[in-house]
Amino acid sequence: DVKVTQSSRYLVKRTGEKVFLECVQDMDHENMFWYRQDPGLGLRLIYFSYDVKMKEKGDIPEGYSVSREKKERFSLILESASTNQTSMYLCASSGRITGELFFGEGSRLTVL
Amino acid sequence: AQSVTQLGSHVSVSEGALVLLRCNYSSSVPPYLFWYVQYPNQGLQLLLKYTSAATLVKGINGFEAEFKKSETSFHLTKPSAHMSDAAEYFCAVSLTGANSKLTFGKGITLSVRP
Repeated sequence: DVKVTQSSRYLVKRTGEKVFLECVQDMDHENMFWYRQDPGLGLRLIYFSYDVKMKEKGDIPEGYSVSREKKERFSLILESASTNQTSMYLCASSGRITGELFFGEGSRLTVL
Repeated sequence: AQSVTQLGSHVSVSEGALVLLRCNYSSSVPPYLFWYVQYPNQGLQLLLKYTSAATLVKGINGFEAEFKKSETSFHLTKPSAHMSDAAEYFCAVSLTGANSKLTFGKGITLSVRP
């Protein structure tokens, strides 16, 4: 069964802390994505990557960075967490052609 | 650039009634279109997708959607709602071609009354 696995389902962090969200996919997909989901706003793209060591900004990259050192792994980093980054974070991957996304179960982050 | 409009944020139907969730898209080129479902505290699952083959697309759990180019629509339907269909539904569009990103609508919450 193909999977996208996010390392933490629930996290609670304090303002100013550095936060790492890890995502691993086992489908040999080239493309990986990080979205955040907020009520009434739907999914908004933070960063994406089309290949190892490549990254591109999405619609809301401010306050975030990413790392893709291996094809299967895509990490989202909050350098200094703030309360407005409290959200559900969803990782996804896709193959090169149709763009169909496969999602992880999400990481719900609360920043106090 | 592409975009998706899902009117309204909440739809409520009775069990056994028709489900109709609307989606209109904007795209400068022939699009790929998707419907995803999200159950509480889970990620998104693909319900169905349109990739320029048949305009009527059948998906999982009895859902289907019809691509209508003239109306730029891709509405999701199910003839008879079940309690287990209660979830949030997202329509998404991507451009054809390699490495195209998905753009999502804001989502619609479907409630099913007994």
